[in-house]
Amino acid sequence: GAGVSQSPSNKVTEKGKDVELRCDPISGHTALYWYRQSLGQGLEFLIYFQGNSAPDKSGLPSDRFSAERTGGSVSTLTIQRTQQEDSAVYLCASSLVGLAGFRTYEQYFGPGTRLTVT
Amino acid sequence: GENVEQHPSTLSVQEGDSAVIKCTYSDSASNYFPWYKQELGKRPQLIIDIRSNVGEKKDQRIAVTLNKTAKHFSLHITETQPEDSAVYFCAARESGYSTLTFGKGTMLLVSP
Repeated sequence: GAGVSQSPSNKVTEKGKDVELRCDPISGHTALYWYRQSLGQGLEFLIYFQGNSAPDKSGLPSDRFSAERTGGSVSTLTIQRTQQEDSAVYLCASSLVGLAGFRTYEQYFGPGTRLTVT
Repeated sequence: GENVEQHPSTLSVQEGDSAVIKCTYSDSASNYFPWYKQELGKRPQLIIDIRSNVGEKKDQRIAVTLNKTAKHFSLHITETQPEDSAVYFCAARESGYSTLTFGKGTMLLVSP
């Protein structure tokens, strides 16, 4: 079946502009995660959505970052007033959390959006 | 919260050698430890995982060991091949949470 998809694959923006990054999780996956991966760095957790519960926003680095998940499916990560330090690859992942008998914690990653702030 | 340290940051081996990557975690309540492989320009993919009720797990040439007392776990790759070259990430999940805390990654280079 279709995996996690993200768009755009690349985004170049000027400092101070707002950007929106989109994630389409695997159909039926209840959990969705956003990560940031800077050059040579690990996977920095940003935000987590699970079903209809309030999202875990504990990883968002500043109030310029926000995310929504509409209808329990597609998610959009918004970065306002972008800064050069926001340049990174933004990865989305989804998983089947909460269903007994499955590999509920395996996260399936999308291809990422490479954001460059000039 | 959980903190995961991963070593080494880079590892170069000759084809056919074994490779070992080590991670430590801080929260003794963590109970799930996956390893992800990320090839250059591609997305991370799960290669093996272990739960806290198991000390070792093998899958062909890869194995993971867990020492709960010392709070560390390791990835072992035997008979390495050039296609094993990638960045490997370890992670830990705290009991009661669904998020993972990742290590900073190990770049494994396997020379033919």
